[in-house]
Amino acid sequence: DADVTQTPRNRITKTGKRIMLECSQTKGHDRMYWYRQDPGLGLRLIYYSFDVKDINKGEISDGYSVSRQAQAKFSLSLESAIPNQTALYFCATSDAETGTDTQYFGPGTRLTVL
Amino acid sequence: AQSVTQPDIHITVSEGASLELRCNYSYGATPYLFWYVQSPGQGLQLLLKYFSGDTLVQGIKGFEAEFKRSQSSFNLRKPSVHWSDAAEYFCAVGAMDSSYKLIFGSGTRLLVRP
Repeated sequence: DADVTQTPRNRITKTGKRIMLECSQTKGHDRMYWYRQDPGLGLRLIYYSFDVKDINKGEISDGYSVSRQAQAKFSLSLESAIPNQTALYFCATSDAETGTDTQYFGPGTRLTVL
Repeated sequence: AQSVTQPDIHITVSEGASLELRCNYSYGATPYLFWYVQSPGQGLQLLLKYFSGDTLVQGIKGFEAEFKRSQSSFNLRKPSVHWSDAAEYFCAVGAMDSSYKLIFGSGTRLLVRP
């Protein structure tokens, strides 16, 4: 079984709809991240969390919110989706104890906002 | 601010030929450096990483990378490319701030000719 899973894998929605992307991990890592990938731009950080009570904004957090329901679960919400949020979204985890920033990624969620 | 540059958007090589993908970073101290690969429709898989010590790092799938401090580079190499290596490759650097995020380059897409 995959260590980092994301649901759904693909989603098409309409402008103005609320949508939630979910991430679960079995690696036992404390740190979890949400990135967005756009063609030609690499990956950019949306939000990150070091534990259930520690949520932080990344460089492109506007229009997004997150929830860390448990150590293993980190959800990303788009309160009112807009077309320029069409992208590939990745969840990642890392282990605070190693102190090496190595991150492990889920398979991604492809989101299309019409 | 830290940044990562991958100057080649696309590279095409023949199967069996050698490969070098370029990566330059901006940071004064020795950063944590990573190469990830993204196959079509897949998430990001860690190929290799450099933290300290030997500047030539071996990774999975026959890849290696060399850290050159004087050139601020961390180029990825493979002596003989296989058709299955066709993918997008991302270089990343660990952010030296409290986020422990990864800063990604824009990626290089590798095409392999039969």
